[in-house]
Amino acid sequence: AQSVTQLDSQVPVFEEAPVELRCNYSSSVSVYLFWYVQYPNQGLQLLLKYLSGSTLVKGINGFEAEFNKSQTSFHLRKPSVHISDTAEYFCAVSASGFQKLVFGTGTRLLVSP
Amino acid sequence: DGGITQSPKYLFRKEGQNVTLSCEQNLNHDAMYWYRQDPGQGLRLIYYSQIVNDFQKGDIAEGYSVSREKKESFPLTVTSAQKNPTAFYLCASSMGQSSLHFGNGTRLTVT
Repeated sequence: AQSVTQLDSQVPVFEEAPVELRCNYSSSVSVYLFWYVQYPNQGLQLLLKYLSGSTLVKGINGFEAEFNKSQTSFHLRKPSVHISDTAEYFCAVSASGFQKLVFGTGTRLLVSP
Repeated sequence: DGGITQSPKYLFRKEGQNVTLSCEQNLNHDAMYWYRQDPGQGLRLIYYSQIVNDFQKGDIAEGYSVSREKKESFPLTVTSAQKNPTAFYLCASSMGQSSLHFGNGTRLTVT
């Protein structure tokens, strides 16, 4: 079975500063990895995904993530955040297609001026 | 525009009553899913369906039921057997190896 750990429940950061949201996963087989963003009272929107190939994945809104197999990590980064990036971010993993997508508990990114 | 529609956005029920949450998609996706979201717990899979007239239990299926009579529709019934039904419910769909597309959710409050 797969599992995902997002150690930081909340990350406060100032506008225009860089940010990294951490995600570690556990799986005995090859995985697909995802980052989703959720704005208040809305559904989840895909930021980026890693299926295979290049370990550096670029997504929407200037976000990117790097797949590190040896450290079983898939951390999300942005070089300069905006107020509008304030939201909850979920890391997710799947090892057998998308029927069993397992989500982390989420990290709330709080961007202040 | 294609997408997933969940209705209603807010739903209030008395304890002991069954309630059905609607999920409709016009993306022509084969697979559909129901997740439950609670603060600090992320999303947990309730049920999923890969094809019409077939569905499988997820990790927390007890107290819930679903049907998949049409490709576009995947309603979720929260029964009186569900001990803690108050939550935010999210419906999603996917096709093949594509990522999940989510609806905007239904917030259910049971008192």
